[in-house]
Amino acid sequence: DAMVIQNPRYQVTQFGKPVTLSCSQTLNHNVMYWYQQKSSQAPKLLFHYYDKDFNNEADTPDNFQSRRPNTSFCFLDIRSPGLGDAAMYLCATSRDKVGREQFFGPGTRLTVL
Amino acid sequence: GENVEQHPSTLSVQEGDSAVIKCTYSDSASNYFPWYKQELGKRPQLIIDIRSNVGEKKDQRIAVTLNKTAKHFSLHITETQPEDSAVYFCAATDRVTGTASKLTFGTGTRLQVTL
Repeated sequence: DAMVIQNPRYQVTQFGKPVTLSCSQTLNHNVMYWYQQKSSQAPKLLFHYYDKDFNNEADTPDNFQSRRPNTSFCFLDIRSPGLGDAAMYLCATSRDKVGREQFFGPGTRLTVL
Repeated sequence: GENVEQHPSTLSVQEGDSAVIKCTYSDSASNYFPWYKQELGKRPQLIIDIRSNVGEKKDQRIAVTLNKTAKHFSLHITETQPEDSAVYFCAATDRVTGTASKLTFGTGTRLQVTL
């Protein structure tokens, strides 16, 4: 029973062509996170939502945007993908503000041609 | 912000031996320390976690120890099996700043269990 679902699992886009990745959750968690993970590296937090409050990491490029229309869904928009944006994008959720387990989705692997 | 260092970056052990991975953190206010296992091409999965009010926690073959004074924590895997082969990430919670808490990950340890 999938709890954090990401679509698509694999996404191929062209250099500069906008792309949207989606995440949904059945856990009813307050917090949703987006991470970028490149090969052999740790996940890097891009931003997170606590309910509707959006929190951007200081070093997240402007090229990356996010939307959370409701509790269950969160989207990652990459406005003009570059070759350096090719990575695995992981969505995660957690229950509340205090340090809690983060549940990760299966990820979307983005290829930029 | 929090800074987490993890060692070693690679670790090879024989099946049945123990494996130890060590992490240090910088923010004394961090209070939650999870360990994630990530197999190739798959999502990180929580294998064990510890909070700052506890010094040690064990779950079957896996244990974590925390030394708050020294700001380091370690993962111990006993009786390793080939299916333990994966990349392991430690993490520490950044302080709550009015928004959700965030995890800072270590750089990962690639564990290889050989027959």
